[in-house]
Amino acid sequence: AQSVAQPEDQVNVAEGNPLTVKCTYSVSGNPYLFWYVQYPNRGLQFLLKYITGDNLVKGSYGFEAEFNKSQTSFHLKKPSALVSDSALYFCAVRDISSGSARQLTFGSGTQLTVLP
Amino acid sequence: DVKVTQSSRYLVKRTGEKVFLECVQDMDHENMFWYRQDPGLGLRLIYFSYDVKMKEKGDIPEGYSVSREKKERFSLILESASTNQTSMYLCASSPGQGGSEKLFFGSGTQLSVL
Repeated sequence: AQSVAQPEDQVNVAEGNPLTVKCTYSVSGNPYLFWYVQYPNRGLQFLLKYITGDNLVKGSYGFEAEFNKSQTSFHLKKPSALVSDSALYFCAVRDISSGSARQLTFGSGTQLTVLP
Repeated sequence: DVKVTQSSRYLVKRTGEKVFLECVQDMDHENMFWYRQDPGLGLRLIYFSYDVKMKEKGDIPEGYSVSREKKERFSLILESASTNQTSMYLCASSPGQGGSEKLFFGSGTQLSVL
């Protein structure tokens, strides 16, 4: 079975400071990892993904994430937060070794608030 | 850009009613998904489909069924709505079979069952 944990329900950060939103995963095989963002009253939007290759992946709006296989983590980062980054962030995983490789499992979400 | 359209943004139904949630995508994607989103629980997969007339159960299929008669349309059916099915329902689609593809989401339907 595949699962994702986002240990923080809420993250607050001051504008201009670096931000980190944490994610750990559990799969029996190899993972595909994703981050999505949900702005108020809007659907989920794709931010970035890790499939293979370089452990540091870059995505939309200046976000990046680092895949760490030994720690089974895929934390989302941004060097300098903007107020407009305030949103709900979801980490998601697919176990590509499982029989249902299309099934994407999401974490519980982390509400990011960037304070002016 | 891919568009995933959900028929209703807000829906209010009574306990015991049969409820249909409709989703249409315009990019010829093979895969379509229904999730429900609840605070603190994230998104949970109800059902998905990887081809016309094909369906697979997700993590929480109880009380739901689905229909995919055409490639572009994926319907979620609540056979007899209950108050614990009050939730935000999100439809999504994706291309391909490899699993590396991102999902494209609709705007969601907020269903209230009274």
